[in-house]
Amino acid sequence: ETGVTQTPRHLVMGMTNKKSLKCEQHLGHNAMYWYKQSAKKPLELMFVYNFKEQTENNSVPSRFSPECPNSSHLFLHLHTLQPEDSALYLCASSQAGADQETQYFGPGTRLLVL
Amino acid sequence: EDQVTQSPEALRLQEGESSSLNCSYTVSGLRGLFWYRQDPGKGPEFLFTLYSAGEEKEKERLKATLTKKESFLHITAPKPEDSATYLCAVQRGSRLTFGEGTQLTVNP
Repeated sequence: ETGVTQTPRHLVMGMTNKKSLKCEQHLGHNAMYWYKQSAKKPLELMFVYNFKEQTENNSVPSRFSPECPNSSHLFLHLHTLQPEDSALYLCASSQAGADQETQYFGPGTRLLVL
Repeated sequence: EDQVTQSPEALRLQEGESSSLNCSYTVSGLRGLFWYRQDPGKGPEFLFTLYSAGEEKEKERLKATLTKKESFLHITAPKPEDSATYLCAVQRGSRLTFGEGTQLTVNP
């Protein structure tokens, strides 16, 4: 595998379910990000992790819980979601601190909350 | 607060018809301006980074330019495979702020 991978690619869940999204980066980067992309809206930054430490939480509801066990893996744990949480969830990684810090994105998980 | 505005929202071109997409921005301490391409159901694909006013970068039929207030993505003689949504983002620190994108359709 190369680049940034995400699983699952599609997920349908009820409002009472608990599920997790997984992201893995194969680029040797030290920073990872979760974004939310809703229809007709710009990408919204949710969480940032640098060297496994969370450095930013962009006022995200507590029903979204991130986890970063190491610099290559990032999870987003979901519980008691609302229909308005249906969106494309994108993971990205970058080499924080580099002169040219480019974020590279995974293919996303398309989430539908019923 | 950082702001990015892209125009037009949607653009339809005939194959071979050149045009430009606009990205206007306000940010304190711009570290870089990024262009990404996004195909339906996929993640954004990195195209260019521009760092200072006057800088230009090219890749195949695409050319990106930067001023102190805006960036343009010029598409020369586009082909149907250039159809996608083009996203602009400004970087401050490690944070990217994205615009809503321009949806480009190139008809054969």
